[in-house]
Order: sequence, then C-alpha cells, then structure tokens
Amino acid sequence: AQKITQTQPGMFVQEKEAVTLDCTYDTSDQSYGLFWYKQPSSGEMIFLIYQGSYDEQNATEGRYSLNFQKARKSANLVISASQLGDSAMYFCAMRPPWADSSYKLIFGSGTRLLVRP
Amino acid sequence: EPEVTQTPSHQVTQMGQEVILRCVPISNHLYFYWYRQILGQKVEFLVSFYNNEISEKSEIFDDQFSVERPDGSNFTLKIRSTKLEDSAMYFCASRGTGSTGELFFGEGSRLTVL
Repeated sequence: AQKITQTQPGMFVQEKEAVTLDCTYDTSDQSYGLFWYKQPSSGEMIFLIYQGSYDEQNATEGRYSLNFQKARKSANLVISASQLGDSAMYFCAMRPPWADSSYKLIFGSGTRLLVRP
Repeated sequence: EPEVTQTPSHQVTQMGQEVILRCVPISNHLYFYWYRQILGQKVEFLVSFYNNEISEKSEIFDDQFSVERPDGSNFTLKIRSTKLEDSAMYFCASRGTGSTGELFFGEGSRLTVL
C-alpha cells in the first residue's frame, strides 16, 4: 500500500530565507508521481510542483524545487526566498501508476509553514 | 487560466437533509474526482469518474453518496441524508491526459451539518 509521511507538523522560517519541507513515501510501484500542494487559510488547494518517478532531473517551478531522492524515497519541497504569502499548509501527495485509472492521490498529513517578517 | 469552479463555497444544512455540491471541471478534461477534508485532517479520496461512470470509490463513499454529470459540463456530488460527520471541505478535481497528469482542484465547498 502507498503511504506519504510528513514529519513536520509546523515550521517557521524567516522572510527571504529558504526552507525545506520534508516528505517521505512508501510504495512498491515503479511508476508513480509526487505532488506538492499549498493550502492557504482560505482553503483552496493550489498545485505547486510535480515529479514523476522516472524524471531524471529534479522539478523546479519558480521559487519551488523538489529534492527527489528516489533511493531514499524522499521528495522534499524547497521554497527559496520565502515570502509572507507563503504562510500556509503544505501537502505532499502521491499518485498511483498510470494504469490505475482511479488516480487516487494519497496525501500526507501536511506541514503548516509560518513565515516571519 | 482555466480552472475548476465549485458551488456553493459554503453550505450549512440540517442533519438528514440532502445536499448537492456542484463542480464545473476544466472544459477539455475527461477525468473527474471528489475529495474530502475534515477540518484538521488529511485530504481523502472519495470517488473517481470517467466516461460517465464511477471508476473507483473509497470506503467512505457509501450508499448515501452519488455522483453524476447531468449535462456534460457540471459534475455533482449528492449526499442523500447528511450526518454530522459529513461536515468537511469537499474538493472537486479534474485532469486531462497530459504527461504530468496534474490534478487541478477547485476552491472547495465547505459543508457544515448541524
């Protein structure tokens, strides 16, 4: 069975500094994908970044990068130059292989990030 | 930028009442989903829908839940007889067939059952 673990319930970071949010996963599948979503206090789920298990390079999207270490089964999110607007809950999620049409994402429990001015 | 839209944003209902949550997925998407997030808990998969039928449902999605795509644009989640424990944020999501398979979520519908 697939599982996502986020061990940091809460994190603080100083504005303009970088922060790493941890995510480890467990799966027996060879093909899978990993996502990070941001959930502000307003509640919506905002897609940040995606990494496929066969992607050789770490994904980057602006200030977001995903530190993918396949052998260690980790997919940490790095936010560079933190901004006050980055304060939110962050969820790591995993999708099943493409053959599974359900696309049942498994979510972690989330990390609440607070950016200090 | 195309987006998934959900209505209502917040609904308060009495226990035992029927509720319909509506979603308009991104227009060229083919796969549709409902997820749920009870306050302070993980986001949980409820159901996936493709080609006008359910492709998978979770153990949460019991007989009081149903989904349909009545007119080719809206995708609805019906809760037949709401219970207190149905209070949650309900997210609709859709995806196309692109290589990333990114799942686009709506802004959520917050359901409060009294």
